[in-house]
Amino acid sequence: AQKITQTQPGMFVQEKEAVTLDCTYDTSDQSYGLFWYKQPSSGEMIFLIYQGSYDEQNATEGRYSLNFQKARKSANLVISASQLGDSAMYFCAMKGAPQGGKLIFGQGTELSVKP
Amino acid sequence: EAQVTQNPRYLITVTGKKLTVTCSQNMNHEYMSWYRQDPGLGLRQIYYSMNVEVTDKGDVPEGYKVSRKEKRNFPLILESPSPNQTSLYFCASTVIGGDNEQFFGPGTRLTVL
Repeated sequence: AQKITQTQPGMFVQEKEAVTLDCTYDTSDQSYGLFWYKQPSSGEMIFLIYQGSYDEQNATEGRYSLNFQKARKSANLVISASQLGDSAMYFCAMKGAPQGGKLIFGQGTELSVKP
Repeated sequence: EAQVTQNPRYLITVTGKKLTVTCSQNMNHEYMSWYRQDPGLGLRQIYYSMNVEVTDKGDVPEGYKVSRKEKRNFPLILESPSPNQTSLYFCASTVIGGDNEQFFGPGTRLTVL
C-alpha cells in the first residue's frame, strides 16, 4: 500500500533562515508523482511544487525546492529565506494511481516562522 | 479564472439532519473527489468520480453519498450526519493521468452537534 510519512508535527524557524520539512514515501509503483501543499490558517490548499519519479533534476519553484532522493524514498521540501507568511501547515502528498487522480497525504507539518 | 467552488463554507448542524455540500469546477476536469481533513491524519479521500455517472468509494466512504450528473458538479451528501463527521471537507478536481496538479476548493468546515 502507498503511504506518506511526515515525522515532524511542528517546527520553528527564524525569519530569513532556510528550513527543511521531511517527507518519506512508500510505493511499489515505478512511476509516481510527489506534491507539496501549503495550508495557511485560512484553510485553503495551495499547491507549491511537484516532482515526478523520473525527473532527473530536483524541482524548484522560487524559494521552494524539493530534495528528491529516490533510493531513500524521501521528498523533503526546502524553503529558503523563510518569511513570516510561510507560517502554515505543509502537506506532502503522492499521486495514488497512474491513471487516476487520488492524492495520498501525509499527516502534515506545522511550520512557525519567528521574527 | 480556473477554480473549484464549494458551498457552504461553514455549516453547523445537528445529528440526523440531511445536508448537501455543493462543489463545482470550471476547468472541464474529468476527475473530481472529496477529501476530509482531520488533525493528525492529513487529508483522506471519501469518494471520487472519473466522469459523469461514474463514481467510486475512496478510503473513508461510510456515511457519505455523491452523485455526478454533470461534469462540472460533484455534490457530497450526508444523509444522516453524526458528530464523527465533524471535519474540514475539500472538493478537488484534476485531469486524469499525467502529472497534473490537483485543484482544491476553499474547504467546508462542518460541525455536527
